[in-house]
Amino acid sequence: AQSVTQLDSQVPVFEEAPVELRCNYSSSVSVYLFWYVQYPNQGLQLLLKYLSGSTLVKGINGFEAEFNKSQTSFHLRKPSVHISDTAEYFCAVTPGAAGNKLTFGGGTRVLVKP
Amino acid sequence: GAVVSQHPSRVICKSGTSVKIECRSLDFQATTMFWYRQFPKQSLMLMATSNEGSKATYEQGVEKDKFLINHASLTLSTLTVTSAHPEDSSFYICSAAGRGNQPQHFGDGTRLSIL
Repeated sequence: AQSVTQLDSQVPVFEEAPVELRCNYSSSVSVYLFWYVQYPNQGLQLLLKYLSGSTLVKGINGFEAEFNKSQTSFHLRKPSVHISDTAEYFCAVTPGAAGNKLTFGGGTRVLVKP
Repeated sequence: GAVVSQHPSRVICKSGTSVKIECRSLDFQATTMFWYRQFPKQSLMLMATSNEGSKATYEQGVEKDKFLINHASLTLSTLTVTSAHPEDSSFYICSAAGRGNQPQHFGDGTRLSIL
């Protein structure tokens, strides 16, 4: 079984400042890792994914994440946030194929302040 | 990119009513569809996984007779909340995954309010 821990439930940040959202996972097998964003009253949108290859993954909207196998982490970063980045962010993992059942973290609410 | 359409986006109905929610993959064949429930300010809770043409696999604690799932084609899955009660009020989200090593794509969710 897998588990995902998002260490920060809320992250307030000023506009144009950098942000990092932490994600750690545990699994007895290799996993694929994802970050999704959820805007109010909407579904989830895929920001980026790590399947294999380079451990630094670039996604949409200027986000990137780095897979660290030894630390079992997949932290999400953005060098300069916008007001529109205010949303809930979910880290998720799945073993086997990328379309398999996901295990989600508890989510991190990012509030960007002007 | 892959698009998943979920309908309706919002439902308000009386207690005892059955409600059907549709999830369609618009531009790919969804071999697997997932149904989630999300409570306010919480993460997504997987309710069930459905493969086209097969019975859905429900997660522990999810009532099969309460939440009926049908995945009759490669582009459509439905979730029917039978005899809904106020405690069934929630945000329901579907997702779909196609063949190959592709991630899940999510619908926009359905907010169900039972009065």
